[in-house]
Amino acid sequence: EDKVVQSPLSLVVHEGDTVTLNCSYEVTNFRSLLWYKQEKKAPTFLFMLTSSGIEKKSGRLSSILDKKELFSILNITATQTGDSAVYLCAVEGLGGATNKLIFGTGTLLAVQP
Amino acid sequence: GAVVSQHPSWVICKSGTSVKIECRSLDFQATTMFWYRQFPKQSLMLMATSNEGSKATYEQGVEKDKFLINHASLTLSTLTVTSAHPEDSSFYICSARGLAGGPYEQYFGPGTRLTVT
Repeated sequence: EDKVVQSPLSLVVHEGDTVTLNCSYEVTNFRSLLWYKQEKKAPTFLFMLTSSGIEKKSGRLSSILDKKELFSILNITATQTGDSAVYLCAVEGLGGATNKLIFGTGTLLAVQP
Repeated sequence: GAVVSQHPSWVICKSGTSVKIECRSLDFQATTMFWYRQFPKQSLMLMATSNEGSKATYEQGVEKDKFLINHASLTLSTLTVTSAHPEDSSFYICSARGLAGGPYEQYFGPGTRLTVT
């Protein structure tokens, strides 16, 4: 059965800290891995990763994929209170007529002032 | 770019009635739209996948006669919760993915919070 596991489930840090969020997966016919940030409403897209070892970066956020070990990490440096959210990892597998995303349970990040 | 809207953003209905939720891709054409539901403190669970002009594909355990999905155009999909019950109360989120050459990533709508009394 396809699954995506995120760790830790929750994390509390102080502003300025650096955090690393983990996502491991077992998915048939892997196509891509995506990271989303969810605050009070629907998830907002952060990154899509398809190739191993190539870091994607956006401001203080960066992510990388290891297709051999089947995991990805999301790094946030110099955290701010606005980074507080649930971070979701999703993996897309090739299958049938339409590829679909399988989501992990998310990591709840709380950044304290 | 890649904006997805949902309407309504929240709705309260009585048990036994039906509720329709709209999902629109505003600035791109979406080959495929997905419908998810999310219970408090839980992750998104895919309910169904809809491709424009064809029948939706439902995930195991999702009743297709209860959750009617119509994807009539490349920019609009609707989810109708028929004969709603309190256990259907949840946060319903749609996402859309573009045509070849458009955004391939799934972009999410803002969600619809349904409360059935």
